[in-house]
Amino acid sequence: GAVVSQHPSRVICKSGTSVKIECRSLDFQATTMFWYRQFPKQSLMLMATSNEGSKATYEQGVEKDKFLINHASLTLSTLTVTSAHPEDSSFYICSAASSGANVLTFGAGSRLTVL
Amino acid sequence: SQKIEQNSEALNIQEGKTATLTCNYTNYSPAYLQWYRQDPGRGPVFLLLIRENEKEKRKERLKVTFDTTLKQSLFHITASQPADSATYLCALGLSGGFKTIFGAGTRLFVKA
Repeated sequence: GAVVSQHPSRVICKSGTSVKIECRSLDFQATTMFWYRQFPKQSLMLMATSNEGSKATYEQGVEKDKFLINHASLTLSTLTVTSAHPEDSSFYICSAASSGANVLTFGAGSRLTVL
Repeated sequence: SQKIEQNSEALNIQEGKTATLTCNYTNYSPAYLQWYRQDPGRGPVFLLLIRENEKEKRKERLKVTFDTTLKQSLFHITASQPADSATYLCALGLSGGFKTIFGAGTRLFVKA
């Protein structure tokens, strides 16, 4: 079945630094990828929709300059948290969909801790 | 306002019983509805999809119903096992793309 690899699984960084999270579709081409953020015991909150070769579409309230998304190929999307602050600490999850499919395949998630 | 509601309280059941989880939504018109399983510290895993014109879907021990009039989906796990213990997420698929909106999930504990 479809597999999405997300890396790193855990990252700890100092306040003010930037962190990049990668999301790769391993055995299919993902025309669309999504980035979510999840706080403990809460729902996945959609941050942005990433389309290959075009600018990401951000959800209301998500700062595009803070959360930079790049979808340069059909198998890779990256999320960069710029100038990270402790309140950015969260579980970030990506998902990917292949053309014509309704089912999302999720990565294993990345736990970001900003000190 | 738009809402997706799942029981926030954990569901505790005995092994072998049927677990029933509820998902209610308001002010959405989903083209389809999905159920995912999420284990602690992991990404969700797809279980079942049911379309707006379908009433019921089954897969092994899983059954999903979808009532677009009541705006409700029920998710059943029959002959539950301790390995079924996880958080189950309801997700609405909106027409016109892959955009999916998730509920907060219900935590299920199956006791041996």
